[in-house]
Amino acid sequence: GQQVMQIPQYQHVQEGEDFTTYCNSSTTLSNIQWYKQRPGGHPVFLIQLVKSGEVKKQKRLTFQFGEAKKNSSLHITATQTTDVGTYFCAGLAVGNYGQNFVFGPGTRLSVLP
Amino acid sequence: AAGVIQSPRHLIKEKRETATLKCYPIPRHDTVYWYQQGPGQDPQFLISFYEKMQSDKGSIPDRFSAQQFSDYHSELNMSSLELGDSALYFCASSLSWTGAYEQYFGPGTRLTVT
Repeated sequence: GQQVMQIPQYQHVQEGEDFTTYCNSSTTLSNIQWYKQRPGGHPVFLIQLVKSGEVKKQKRLTFQFGEAKKNSSLHITATQTTDVGTYFCAGLAVGNYGQNFVFGPGTRLSVLP
Repeated sequence: AAGVIQSPRHLIKEKRETATLKCYPIPRHDTVYWYQQGPGQDPQFLISFYEKMQSDKGSIPDRFSAQQFSDYHSELNMSSLELGDSALYFCASSLSWTGAYEQYFGPGTRLTVT
């Protein structure tokens, strides 16, 4: 079945440092979505990428979809304490047996002030 | 703006008991998803409904069942509860079942089985 992996599992950074999390799928994806879950909260949608090689920016966050549509990355520039949380990618694969939407295991980011 | 509503927010049950979790999607959203999230885990997809029909099935145990009603709200019924069922259960809704739309998550129901 489809598998979505994320690395690293945990990341501790000093406030102001950059942060990147990588998402890799075992199958080609129709789209990929990114969610953020704050401690004690629920996942909140950040963005969706659809096109091969697509890059989208949201202020200090840059999202990228790989050319082969099997991987994606989220890069945060100059982290702030408000960036603390777990970042999940979620990919949609469509095959002969229907569609399959799978969350990655997430990257937990902690930011030290 | 209206969000996804889940009730109850907290639930404590004993082993072998039953539980019913409710989810009210955002107005005009016709698709509902159920997820189970254990401590430090990613959300595990259980089941989804589109227009009151089951649209996709994930790792939902046979002891669990769910349905979507005519007003689009959904209920997750859990029977013969086990200690391992203790988790945060999220409901999410979206405009469509195709996965091309973002999912809006509710605040979750924290189920504790003792």
